[in-house]
Amino acid sequence: AQSVAQPEDQVNVAEGNPLTVKCTYSVSGNPYLFWYVQYPNRGLQFLLKYITGDNLVKGSYGFEAEFNKSQTSFHLKKPSALVSDSALYFCAVRNQDRDDKIIFGKGTRLHILP
Amino acid sequence: EAGVAQSPRYKIIEKRQSVAFWCNPISGHATLYWYQQILGQGPKLLIQFQNNGVVDDSQLPKDRFSAERLKGVDSTLKIQPAKLEDSAVYLCASSWGPQGPFTDTQYFGPGTRLTVL
Repeated sequence: AQSVAQPEDQVNVAEGNPLTVKCTYSVSGNPYLFWYVQYPNRGLQFLLKYITGDNLVKGSYGFEAEFNKSQTSFHLKKPSALVSDSALYFCAVRNQDRDDKIIFGKGTRLHILP
Repeated sequence: EAGVAQSPRYKIIEKRQSVAFWCNPISGHATLYWYQQILGQGPKLLIQFQNNGVVDDSQLPKDRFSAERLKGVDSTLKIQPAKLEDSAVYLCASSWGPQGPFTDTQYFGPGTRLTVL
């Protein structure tokens, strides 16, 4: 079975500081990994995904994520946080090797403090 | 490019009543998904269509939930009868085609917030 964990319900970061939102996963094969963001009263928006190749994936709005196979992690990062980055962030995983559904984490609320 | 459209945006019903949600995916997207997002949780896939065929409905409570995608475009999700625990946001998403590295990206609609009293 596949699963994804976001260990932090909420992350607070001062504007201008680097941010990290953590995600770990479990799949029996090779993973596809995704990050989505959800703003209030809006649907999820795609940020970035890992398929294969370079472990550092760059996405929208200056976000990037690092795939670490040995630690089964896919943490979301940004060098300098903006107040407008405040939102709910979801990590998701799907097994590349099987026709499995995508599984979402429970989400991490990111607060950027001005 | 127009996004995924959903209606209504909000719905309040009493338990044991029926309700239906509508979704219009992005033009040309063959795959359509319905998710249930309960407060404080991530989205849970209810059903996935490939064109007008069902790919995965393993997590759809079939005794009360039904969905269809006629003509491989619009889709409706119905709950009959509703229970208190069905209170959630129902998200519709679409993607280009069969699951794969370049087609997995899903585009989500704004969702329908259902409250069952």
